[in-house]
Amino acid sequence: ETGVTQTPRHLVMGMTNKKSLKCEQHLGHNAMYWYKQSAKKPLELMFVYSLEERVENNSVPSRFSPECPNSSHLFLHLHTLQPEDSALYLCASSQETGWNYGYTFGSGTRLTVV
Amino acid sequence: SQQGEEDPQALSIQEGENATMNCSYKTSINNLQWYRQNSGRGLVHLILIRSNEREKHSGRLRVTLDTSKKSSSLLITASRAADTASYFCATDGGSKLTFGKGITLSVRP
Repeated sequence: ETGVTQTPRHLVMGMTNKKSLKCEQHLGHNAMYWYKQSAKKPLELMFVYSLEERVENNSVPSRFSPECPNSSHLFLHLHTLQPEDSALYLCASSQETGWNYGYTFGSGTRLTVV
Repeated sequence: SQQGEEDPQALSIQEGENATMNCSYKTSINNLQWYRQNSGRGLVHLILIRSNEREKHSGRLRVTLDTSKKSSSLLITASRAADTASYFCATDGGSKLTFGKGITLSVRP
């Protein structure tokens, strides 16, 4: 266990479904991130939160909706996804945003959109 | 883009050999980080090297940074089968890290 827990580990959903991914960290970190990892592509940053405030939204389609109710929890709400959204979704945290800190990643949620 | 690019894309070596992986980037950085990812899992932070550092060690890992060439290398000495994984370099870009596509390392027992 890294201290960052993601649930569920696997998710299969239809294009009309609504589902949520959950991330929880017990490290006392103030920054949390969502990344998307697709085959043969670099990790794509989706969202950055610092102390529950969104500080970056990397041109992510509105069918992905993040929520950060407190500095320990991060959600990614999904609705009307497309098959190309199938990927490994990784949550990460760091002590602060900025360039001086390594990230701690969760094990990811493998999402398949059918 | 500050995205790092790793080289080679794939590397296969025998257990006990050394593995050298390279990363190049385009613009100036504050730090460069290396991560490992086992199949289907999250990334694990290995080492962070700051722009004013030239070399850093952690166990069997040795990382170098050449800011004049905008490149870094990760050396794993005396490799083990358990080192089989994908390795990523990441460069800082303000509030976030930007990752490359990764290097797939296979260590044959």
